[in-house]
Formats: sequence, C-alpha cells, structure tokens
Amino acid sequence: GAVVSQHPSRVICKSGTSVKIECRSLDFQATTMFWYRQFPKQSLMLMATSNEGSKATYEQGVEKDKFLINHASLTLSTLTVTSAHPEDSSFYICSAGLASDEQFFGPGTRLTVL
Amino acid sequence: GEDVEQSLFLSVREGDSSVINCTYTDSSSTYLYWYKQEPGAGLQLLTYIFSNMDMKQDQRLTVLLNKKDKHLSLRIADTQTGDSAIYFCAEKAGANNLFFGTGTRLTVIP
Repeated sequence: GAVVSQHPSRVICKSGTSVKIECRSLDFQATTMFWYRQFPKQSLMLMATSNEGSKATYEQGVEKDKFLINHASLTLSTLTVTSAHPEDSSFYICSAGLASDEQFFGPGTRLTVL
Repeated sequence: GEDVEQSLFLSVREGDSSVINCTYTDSSSTYLYWYKQEPGAGLQLLTYIFSNMDMKQDQRLTVLLNKKDKHLSLRIADTQTGDSAIYFCAEKAGANNLFFGTGTRLTVIP
C-alpha cells in the first residue's frame, strides 16, 4: 500500500526559531498533499492544501507567512513553522492524495515549542 | 462549512460489539471514511463507504450509512483491547479535502 513518511517524528525547539517538517510519499507520486494540525483531545483541522509546483492554498485563519509550505516535487512537501511560539505546539499530520481521491496519512510530527 | 460530529467517549467490554456514531451536514458528500488513531500515531484508514451505499462489511467492521438522516456508524464486532484508540469519521465533499469529526475515544475493558 501507499506509504507516507514524516520527519522528524518529534521536535522540541525554542521560541522564535523556525522548524521544518518534511512529508514524503515513498512509493507513489502525490500531486496534492495536505497539512493538518491536531490540538490535544481535538480533531484534525486542515491547514492547507499543497499542489506540486504551485502555491499552497491555506484555510481561513491559517497564517501563510507563519506556516510556509513548499511542494517542490511529486514526493515531497515541507511545512516550516516560522518564529515558533508555544501556542504552535501541536501534532502536525500530512497526507498525500492519489488521483483516485484516496488519501494516505503520515505518522505525524509532534512539535513542542519551549 | 461542513460540520461532522461524534460522541467523545465510548467504553465497551472485551468481546462485546462497539458502535461509534457520526453525523454530518453536507448532503453532497461523496465518500465517508473511518480512521483509527493510536496514541502518538498518525491516522490509519479503516474503511470507507461511497455515498450511494447503505452498508459495507469488512471482516469485523460494519459501516452503516443513512444518507437521509446524514448518519454514519461503525460497528466493531468482538472488540479487542487492541481496538482501543480514537476513531475519526470524515467526509469528503468536493475536492480532495476531508472534514473530520471530533473523534471518539474507544476504551476496551478487559
């Protein structure tokens, strides 16, 4: 089956620093990747839709200058949390879509900002 | 926007059946999904149902869809301790976006 990886799985950083999270589709090409954020004991919230070779589409309320998304190839999308603050601490999950509309999720990255 | 709701908690005894319910508001949903999330992990797709189906069975899992009432359920037969997790329903309406419910935390009591 299709496999999506994320790196790192866990990251701790200081306030004000930037953190990059990678999402890779290992055995298929994904024209579209999605970034979700999950707050403790809450559901997943779609942050943005990332299309290879074009600018990401951000959901309402998500700051595009704070959460930079780059989808440089059909197998890699990156999310950079810039000038991180403690309230950015969360579980970030990516998913990659196939032409059949099925989505495959990465294992998630837990970000802790001190 | 789309609104997907689930009850937050469910406890069952090992060996019993679990039924997790979900309601949604968007009548144009094409697919409805059930995902399982184990502690600290990402989402695992359990099963999905196309909106023109009423029922889908996959081993211990049975999905029922009442499109008129916009109600989706997941039944897990012979629930095991390894089934303890958070279960999310999600609907796909329009493009590739998925809209998730709040998740139901299933606790299986040995």
